Amino acid sequence: SQQGEEDPQALSIQEGENATMNCSYKTSINNLQWYRQNSGRGLVHLILIRSNEREKHSGRLRVTLDTSKKSSSLLITASRAADTASYFCATVLNQAGTALIFGKGTTLSVSS
Amino acid sequence: EPEVTQTPSHQVTQMGQEVILRCVPISNHLYFYWYRQILGQKVEFLVSFYNNEISEKSEIFDDQFSVERPDGSNFTLKIRSTKLEDSAMYFCASTDTTSGNTIYFGEGSWLTVV
Repeated sequence: SQQGEEDPQALSIQEGENATMNCSYKTSINNLQWYRQNSGRGLVHLILIRSNEREKHSGRLRVTLDTSKKSSSLLITASRAADTASYFCATVLNQAGTALIFGKGTTLSVSS
Repeated sequence: EPEVTQTPSHQVTQMGQEVILRCVPISNHLYFYWYRQILGQKVEFLVSFYNNEISEKSEIFDDQFSVERPDGSNFTLKIRSTKLEDSAMYFCASTDTTSGNTIYFGEGSWLTVV
């Protein structure tokens, strides 16, 4: 399966701290994506990193990709209470397809 | 900003009844998806749809489920003979594939089977 698996399952931090979430996947990929889900809401795309990229930034987000280890990390810097959500990595189900498969996610709680 | 819209937001149905969940994907998108999320669990892929046919489906998407694009804007998921374990949030999503497979999700339809 191409499924990504995030770790830790849950993370609790204080506002202003950095949060790091990791994702591992099983087979080769063209890209890996990170999504966010607020409780009871739909998933929102955060960032896509291609297989030939090692690091990508978007605002307070930094994503790294290590294809040799089949792993990715999402770093949220200077976290805010509004960052409280579940974060998922996603890879495609099939190389020839478009459907994404999501991991179990990391639930991030940021307290003020 | 264009968005995927889903109706109803919440539906309660009796076990054994048929349910149709509706979605309006983003207008210029060509690939459509249904996902489901049982309470407290991960988001699970059900089916993808392109060019008026199913392009990929998961093991969950058995004969109980069907999808249809009845007109140029709607995309529906039909669940026949609902079971208690079908209770979940069902998400519709779409993409145009020019954005590297970035998929845009609706806010979901919460289905409760009683």
